[in-house]
Amino acid sequence: NAGVTQTPKFQVLKTGQSMTLQCAQDMNHEYMSWYRQDPGMGLRLIHYSVGAGITDQGEVPNGYNVSRSTTEDFPLRLLSAAPSQTSVYFCASRGPGNYNEQFFGPGTRLTVL
Amino acid sequence: SQKIEQNSEALNIQEGKTATLTCNYTNYSPAYLQWYRQDPGRGPVFLLLIRENEKEKRKERLKVTFDTTLKQSLFHITASQPADSATYLCALDIWRNTPLVFGKGTRLSVIA
Repeated sequence: NAGVTQTPKFQVLKTGQSMTLQCAQDMNHEYMSWYRQDPGMGLRLIHYSVGAGITDQGEVPNGYNVSRSTTEDFPLRLLSAAPSQTSVYFCASRGPGNYNEQFFGPGTRLTVL
Repeated sequence: SQKIEQNSEALNIQEGKTATLTCNYTNYSPAYLQWYRQDPGRGPVFLLLIRENEKEKRKERLKVTFDTTLKQSLFHITASQPADSATYLCALDIWRNTPLVFGKGTRLSVIA
């Protein structure tokens, strides 16, 4: 199992550009989520999904879109990047059943100039 | 509002001593509490999970306690080693398929 994979590992954007952060998992997990992590702020939930076709907003959803067309993939889209979106982004998934551990991807470090 | 706090932003400890990290929460009744380790430049990695009806859980040199009356969990690393240096995150698990709520983490440095 590759677990949770994220691409790219690093990205530099100019203000106003759009891009998609890719996330995939091969564990057949229904639950997937996106976090951003900033110094002193901890992990903040952006969006999450409890299964294909179902998404919901987290704590900081503004400026980000998600979709979940398959169980495996959960891409995060930045429609018009802003310097405030400079951060490290983590994708995560959780297994079926009650109260399972969460698996995190390696992260994408995004800089918006 | 719902709140989870890890009392220390940073903790320095001498090698061989026991490190104790604290996680406090308010306005929750979590069913489970989880602890994660995060190394610089990497994603968090799951360490331990403790249920609300468990007082204590152990895994090798790690011990977690969960006091639902005090709304507090303590995370202990005994015989600490420099390799234990990392950021440790606690997370509340409220209900199935709802998001985990993370604390901001405590950065532990074990000094040789």
